[in-house]
Amino acid sequence: EVQLVQSGAEVKKPGESLKISCKGSGYSFSNYWIGWVRQMPGKGLEWVGIIFPGDSDTRYSPSFQGQVTISADKSISTAYLQWNTLKASDTAMYYCTTPWRYPRNFDYWGQGTLVTVSS
Amino acid sequence: EIVLTQSPATLSLSPGERATLSCRASQSVSSYVAWYQQKPGQAPRLLIYDASNRATGIPPRFSASGSGTDFTLTISSLEPEDFAVYYCQQRSDWSGLTFGGGTKVEIK
Repeated sequence: EVQLVQSGAEVKKPGESLKISCKGSGYSFSNYWIGWVRQMPGKGLEWVGIIFPGDSDTRYSPSFQGQVTISADKSISTAYLQWNTLKASDTAMYYCTTPWRYPRNFDYWGQGTLVTVSS
Repeated sequence: EIVLTQSPATLSLSPGERATLSCRASQSVSSYVAWYQQKPGQAPRLLIYDASNRATGIPPRFSASGSGTDFTLTISSLEPEDFAVYYCQQRSDWSGLTFGGGTKVEIK
């Protein structure tokens, strides 16, 4: 069974750094793209970007380019989303997701990681 | 960037009624549109891929159509568990992927 399990909720201060994770299991992690989606409180879904763990090919939404870093460690089937300098506006739920059955259509999702940035 | 505009923002209906949700793209996306359902506190769930194909396990009361710039999701007869927010998504390329703003289907 395909599963994506994300790291737990985080509470950080503005200016701090953060790396959240998403561990895949039940499938060949290296061979499927894995993406990240942001959902700010009470708002809709926003595309952050995606990585192909097999060769670390990474693509970003223009809105998030330079704001976050997506990476993956295929040896432990885990993808990451990282911030060097958090802002209050980064407060959101972040989901990882993979288009396992259908190319570019996301049929498996993690449970979400809530990131709260507050002084 | 391709913008997806969903309408209406909110749809107030009773169980058993038919729901029709619209998603319009700012330029042609061929048939590369998916629809997702999201309930409070849950991750999105894929309903429809490539404009008109039901994902695995999705009941037949959900159907969708469209190509180019205009797409429609129809729920033929609303069940209590269908009251949720619905999003469309286009997959032009990985960097340009976008979601619509969502339609909330609420109980009237």
